[in-house]
Amino acid sequence: DTGVSQDPRHKITKRGQNVTFRCDPISEHNRLYWYRQTLGQGPEFLTYFQNEAQLEKSRLLSDRFSAERPKGSFSTLEIQRTEQGDSAMYLCASSLRGNGANVLTFGAGSRLTVL
Amino acid sequence: AQTVTQSQPEMSVQEAETVTLSCTYDTSESDYYLFWYKQPPSRQMILVIRQEAYKQQNATENRFSVNFQKAAKSFSLKISDSQLGDAAMYFCAYIGRWNNAGNMLTFGGGTRLMVKP
Repeated sequence: DTGVSQDPRHKITKRGQNVTFRCDPISEHNRLYWYRQTLGQGPEFLTYFQNEAQLEKSRLLSDRFSAERPKGSFSTLEIQRTEQGDSAMYLCASSLRGNGANVLTFGAGSRLTVL
Repeated sequence: AQTVTQSQPEMSVQEAETVTLSCTYDTSESDYYLFWYKQPPSRQMILVIRQEAYKQQNATENRFSVNFQKAAKSFSLKISDSQLGDAAMYFCAYIGRWNNAGNMLTFGGGTRLMVKP
C-alpha cells in the first residue's frame, strides 16, 4: 500500500467551471476526511466519511461542494461553478475507525487555482 | 469550540542546534489528543508526535519531544540536533478523545521552520 493518493495534483480552471478531485485512501481505513488549506494557513475540516456514509460536514462546505464515497473506498470532491475564493490545496486523509486516537494519514493534496 | 494557536509564524535554527515551537489550545474537554504534524514543501503532511492528555509523561520520538502543560493548555515541540531535512511547516492539532468536536482535527496556523547550514 502506497498511502493516500490524490488526483490531480494540480488543477487550473476558469471561474465558473466545475472541477472534481479524487482520493484513494489506505485500503483498510474506514474513515476518509477532506480538508482545505489556503496559503500559509492550517488545514480546515470540510467533511468526513465512515465507510460510505458522510457523517459530518463543515459550514465551509457550501452547496457548490459535494463529496461522495460510493463504495466506501475512494472518494470524490466536486466543486461546481468555481470561484476565485475556492483556490486552495484540498487535502484528503484517512484513518482506522476508532476514538479520538485517530491518527490521520494525509495525501499530498490537490492544488486548485481558479483564474 | 476548540481553538489551536501557534504564535510563531516563522522560526529559524542552526543545523545541529535545538529549537522549540510553541502551541496553545483552548478546550472545555478533559480528555483529548494533541499532535504535531510536519508538512515539507510540496509534500504530504506527516505525523511527528502524538500526546494523550491523560498521560502525564511527555511524548518523545527520537529527536522530537514535547512539553505538555495541561493546566496551561500548552503543547510545545522541541527538535534536538536539527537537520536540514527538518525544514518544513509544522502544525499543532487537537482532537477530543470522544470526538465531541465532531470527529475532526483542529489545526493551528502553522510555524515555518528554517534550518541554516
